[in-house]
Amino acid sequence: QKEVEQDPGPLSVPEGAIVSLNCTYSNSAFQYFMWYRQYSRKGPELLMYTYSSGNKEDGRFTAQVDKSSKYISLFIRDSQPSDSATYLCAMRPPASSYKLIFGSGTRLLVRP
Amino acid sequence: EPEVTQTPSHQVTQMGQEVILRCVPISNHLYFYWYRQILGQKVEFLVSFYNNEISEKSEIFDDQFSVERPDGSNFTLKIRSTKLEDSAMYFCAGRGGEDTQYFGPGTRLTVL
Repeated sequence: QKEVEQDPGPLSVPEGAIVSLNCTYSNSAFQYFMWYRQYSRKGPELLMYTYSSGNKEDGRFTAQVDKSSKYISLFIRDSQPSDSATYLCAMRPPASSYKLIFGSGTRLLVRP
Repeated sequence: EPEVTQTPSHQVTQMGQEVILRCVPISNHLYFYWYRQILGQKVEFLVSFYNNEISEKSEIFDDQFSVERPDGSNFTLKIRSTKLEDSAMYFCAGRGGEDTQYFGPGTRLTVL
């Protein structure tokens, strides 16, 4: 079983839609969860960071962590064409140098 | 807003040649990382670096790879004898005392 799994998509939605992006993970010891956005041939850009379970909101973005199910989500409200990118979930293993383990990324296309 | 910078943006080299990829992290960051992303694949951790020492490395980071912080500002990744399979995007990242890592725009390495 892969440590972090993410549906590669692509996910195509109309402008204004609510987008739900998800990752599952296998190691119950993970405590720190991040979402990065990556435009084509660019570096990952940090969007959201959450610790342990619960929700965190920042503007149109909401990150949700369910440790009991080993499942994390990123919701994007009122999606815009500029949100079209690949969204990467990332997690920090315990007892490490803070390295990140990434999912494979979900490609999102928001149609005008 | 301070940014991580990387040079060159694209490096083309012949198999067996040495390459040095350069990064200038954000000035107050203390922990540094290199990741790579082969085209179409996930971002993979290579090495972490703190206090002028490697703190963790992946199995990808073999004897052909080395890292250095030669002058207190630059952070370099050297590949001694490049192979075709080293072709990838290489990302430098850094963090301060918090948990979040900030990535540079990447160097695209093409090995012919």
